[in-house]
Amino acid sequence: AAGVIQSPRHLIKEKRETATLKCYPIPRHDTVYWYQQGPGQDPQFLISFYEKMQSDKGSIPDRFSAQQFSDYHSELNMSSLELGDSALYFCASSTNRARNTEAFFGQGTRLTVV
Amino acid sequence: SQQGEEDPQALSIQEGENATMNCSYKTSINNLQWYRQNSGRGLVHLILIRSNEREKHSGRLRVTLDTSKKSSSLLITASRAADTASYFCATDSTSGGSYIPTFGRGTSLIVHP
Repeated sequence: AAGVIQSPRHLIKEKRETATLKCYPIPRHDTVYWYQQGPGQDPQFLISFYEKMQSDKGSIPDRFSAQQFSDYHSELNMSSLELGDSALYFCASSTNRARNTEAFFGQGTRLTVV
Repeated sequence: SQQGEEDPQALSIQEGENATMNCSYKTSINNLQWYRQNSGRGLVHLILIRSNEREKHSGRLRVTLDTSKKSSSLLITASRAADTASYFCATDSTSGGSYIPTFGRGTSLIVHP
């Protein structure tokens, strides 16, 4: 079965550079979530989209932005990268129309800022 | 503390033993989900239990939910070395009418062969 696909799997950037992470949700899923997980930390919610519209915002820095496109894939854009942005970034998708649905996660993108 | 706090934070057992992890949360929930994460890897969905359910089984996994105590437990029976991973619970947090899985700190399980 198709799962959530994230690309790239690994990314190394220098401070002050820009990074773009991509997420392809499970087909027919209408909701995408982005999470950040620092070393030894729990996943922190950043932002979510429902039907291509931003639905909720968590602890996403102003330097980050995201959008969901007409084909439902989503991109997380990160600018002016800082060392502290080094983390595992997860995307998850679900069908949020029904409340009791699982959120399925991708394998994550490991971002290292040097 | 935040929504979805697991305890213990670390658990070390021998293969064949049972492992029990607990999760407590603060607000009312619609459902609670358990995930597994191998070191530095993706989050794998294990089981979802709805607020009107008390117990759910899936293979060697047994999840209970006590909404009066705002707690859940994940029991892994007859553990294997391959069960070594971090386990997280995630509760749905309603914000602006939508549902957002909110994670706690997780339990790091080590199963010794």
